[in-house]
Amino acid sequence: GAGVSQSPSNKVTEKGKDVELRCDPISGHTALYWYRQRLGQGLEFLIYFQGNSAPDKSGLPSDRFSAERTGESVSTLTIQRTQQEDSAVYLCASSSGLANSPLHFGNGTRLTVT
Amino acid sequence: GEDVEQSLFLSVREGDSSVINCTYTDSSSTYLYWYKQEPGAGLQLLTYIFSNMDMKQDQRLTVLLNKKDKHLSLRIADTQTGDSAIYFCAEKTTDSWGKLQFGAGTQVVVTP
Repeated sequence: GAGVSQSPSNKVTEKGKDVELRCDPISGHTALYWYRQRLGQGLEFLIYFQGNSAPDKSGLPSDRFSAERTGESVSTLTIQRTQQEDSAVYLCASSSGLANSPLHFGNGTRLTVT
Repeated sequence: GEDVEQSLFLSVREGDSSVINCTYTDSSSTYLYWYKQEPGAGLQLLTYIFSNMDMKQDQRLTVLLNKKDKHLSLRIADTQTGDSAIYFCAEKTTDSWGKLQFGAGTQVVVTP
């Protein structure tokens, strides 16, 4: 597609439920990143994919968070047993992986845990 | 460690120039970026500068980089109401797998 696409755009879930967030990167982009943005705050790095492998998972806040990427394309971020502190906008970005390539962001998924 | 800092708020009158400042600490920065975020939207890349440059101009935008002081600025000439947004600076370092370290963002409000 023309840009990074994320779905759903909004998700409201009850505490304790699992959620899956989806990211479709720009076609041909090998690098994919997930970030979290809490209300009024900057971006917090979660995980990085190069192809289908994740060499940097250092930002995942707990073992309730996991992500996978298949076919060097779509990625899903899964949050199990959601907590209220998980409420945030989850942003996905992709890049071509070259040294000078910037990250291109999707519009994010706004997650609200009630 | 990595740390990118920005002032949180800037108010500017329409037609004036805006200057948004950013400092970073990692000396292995390779590229520095400015992103714009409008309400309810993702981040839009505005411009970026390679760390061996000291200035880059792109239409109304001018980026200045002082590598010695680890200081980055974004100047917006003839600021318009559509420039009201949050502006994030970010750095990419050599050992970061290409991920960007972001500042907390500067909210720019343009008044008539």
